[in-house]
Amino acid sequence: NAGVTQTPKFRVLKTGQSMTLLCAQDMNHEYMYWYRQDPGMGLRLIHYSVGEGTTAKGEVPDGYNVSRLKKQNFLLGLESAAPSQTSVYFCASSYNRDSGPTEAFFGQGTRLTVV
Amino acid sequence: GENVEQHPSTLSVQEGDSAVIKCTYSDSASNYFPWYKQELGKRPQLIIDIRSNVGEKKDQRIAVTLNKTAKHFSLHITETQPEDSAVYFCAASIGYSSASKIIFGSGTRLSIRP
Repeated sequence: NAGVTQTPKFRVLKTGQSMTLLCAQDMNHEYMYWYRQDPGMGLRLIHYSVGEGTTAKGEVPDGYNVSRLKKQNFLLGLESAAPSQTSVYFCASSYNRDSGPTEAFFGQGTRLTVV
Repeated sequence: GENVEQHPSTLSVQEGDSAVIKCTYSDSASNYFPWYKQELGKRPQLIIDIRSNVGEKKDQRIAVTLNKTAKHFSLHITETQPEDSAVYFCAASIGYSSASKIIFGSGTRLSIRP
């Protein structure tokens, strides 16, 4: 039982390049989230999904796209990377109870630097 | 949309003393309030959570209180120890499936002085 796994752990991109971050969970969770973490700004929600085939915008969605083709995977794409997207990216997943999400389990993070 | 504010941003307490971190939320429909601890270089992990039908919850040295009327909730850590040094995040979530996102506060860096 691996929990939530992110790929890759580190990446350096040049401005304008594209990349995809992969998040995989083996806990059969309905909900999945992508956050970015910057110093002093906490965890800001980029996009999230409440089930396979669904996605929704979070607090800071501009410059990112996501897909949830399979329940266990949630992909985050950067089409044209910018230095402002330098950050640590965390994926998380959580259960779906009648009253909404419960504990969110986080991946180990991806440190992305855009030069 | 939901907005969560967290104070203070940094907190230093003497070992053995208590620490209190406070958060406010904007959306009265929020009904789930978790707290996460993040140690340096690691992923956030849940330490305690509370739902809107409960006013207080305790787990050993940590407790969370919720005031729905004022839309604020707090984390209390008693008898602090060196291993409590970390960044703590509060969060709020609206609990129906079409809007079940978890919004975090900006974090509190807690340091325990020996």
